[in-house]
Amino acid sequence: EIVLTQSPGALSLSPGERATLSCRASQSVNSNYLTWYQQKPGQAPRLLIYGTSSRATGIPDRFSGSGSGTEFTLTISRLEPEDFAVYYCQQYDSSVLTFGGGTKVEIK
Amino acid sequence: QVQLQESGPGLVKPSETLSLTCTVSGDSINNYYWNWIRQPPGMGLEWIGYISWSGNTKINPPLRGRATMLVDTSKNQFSLILNSVTAADTATYYCARWESSDKCYKYWGQGTVVTVSS
Repeated sequence: EIVLTQSPGALSLSPGERATLSCRASQSVNSNYLTWYQQKPGQAPRLLIYGTSSRATGIPDRFSGSGSGTEFTLTISRLEPEDFAVYYCQQYDSSVLTFGGGTKVEIK
Repeated sequence: QVQLQESGPGLVKPSETLSLTCTVSGDSINNYYWNWIRQPPGMGLEWIGYISWSGNTKINPPLRGRATMLVDTSKNQFSLILNSVTAADTATYYCARWESSDKCYKYWGQGTVVTVSS
């Protein structure tokens, strides 16, 4: 099973600042299978980025994804008030789908 | 617009069986893989497994032996059955559709809270 470790666990930033979220895998991940979701309290996760760097429909371009192998990054270029949430990375190999533990982006 | 809706009891007694159904609207259940994912209170997401439109399943190893999935294409529904539940199974349970082309979950149900308690 591939373990995904997200860091930091929490990030305190102000609106307008840049957020950089990390997702590290215990083994190499097929970049086609690395996905990012956003989750707000009481809501289901929302698809943000798939295939490491492709934005889902309706996702603003301040969200970007990058990486390869075992290191992946989600960047929010300028935080808007609605971006404060928990972010999860997820991967799928041939056997098991796993999620990272999440990074909470909170208002400073 | 594709919509998924979970349904089932919100409270299950320890050692008993949890049964949830996900009803899909806006598209056929055919040709997709349908997943269950859960989230304990205040914690992260755990993949439970999937069932295909044709009935093939894959269950996360920690839950093999306790989790079963069924599909009913005539009703556009699929189900999760989890037996011998404990307090550790208390969670919000989500159903979601796997997009085979983009390798992600684009459509999710709103989630249903299940509490295991006597």
